[in-house]
Amino acid sequence: SQWGEENLQALSIQEGEDVTMNCSYKTYTTVVHWYRQDSGRGPALIILIRSNEREKRSGRLRATLDTSSQSSSLSITAAQCEDTAVYFCATDEYKLTFGTGTSLLVDP
Amino acid sequence: EAAVTQSPRNKVAVTGGKVTLSCNQTNNHNNMYWYRQDTGHGLRLIHYSYGAGSTEKGDIPDGYKASRPSQENFSLILELATPSQTSVYFCASGDMGAPLFGEGTRLSVL
Repeated sequence: SQWGEENLQALSIQEGEDVTMNCSYKTYTTVVHWYRQDSGRGPALIILIRSNEREKRSGRLRATLDTSSQSSSLSITAAQCEDTAVYFCATDEYKLTFGTGTSLLVDP
Repeated sequence: EAAVTQSPRNKVAVTGGKVTLSCNQTNNHNNMYWYRQDTGHGLRLIHYSYGAGSTEKGDIPDGYKASRPSQENFSLILELATPSQTSVYFCASGDMGAPLFGEGTRLSVL
């Protein structure tokens, strides 16, 4: 999982597999953002989950949020090569605090 | 279309020199942010602003100043650049919900 002083996590999977990335956060938040960052580009929001939602889906993406354990997860179903990117979780409604990220490589 | 534009996209500076990174947004957002990204650290907040004339310190403000002369523009200023400030810098704007990021400025301080 990502956060704090942990090194960038790296995952490598085959196309068609499912994958889950985890994130734990340190301070109270009512929202967790998940961003993806393609090489050489800025981060882009892919899904946002609030504390009253526990689970949020968007296409092949599924985010969960457990405020009691201060953790969130992002799952991708049937990953495609174009899902290759670095994925970050971030907390706080306004002043985002980012985790260290998970580098996902999807091989054909 | 909502946009955040950073300039320059690449910059090489000398140690001790002054560097200004510029950011322009056409989203009419009140909040703007400057982050730096280094391998293994994710994105770290340097300065942010709630509107024209306001600047606030983020998590790593030392060695940086910010200026918000208008709703659209937010600058990051390195008065005396050091090699430790070599990084990729991202500007973002956003109010409620998730900020929109620019494409980044790659700064090398030699």
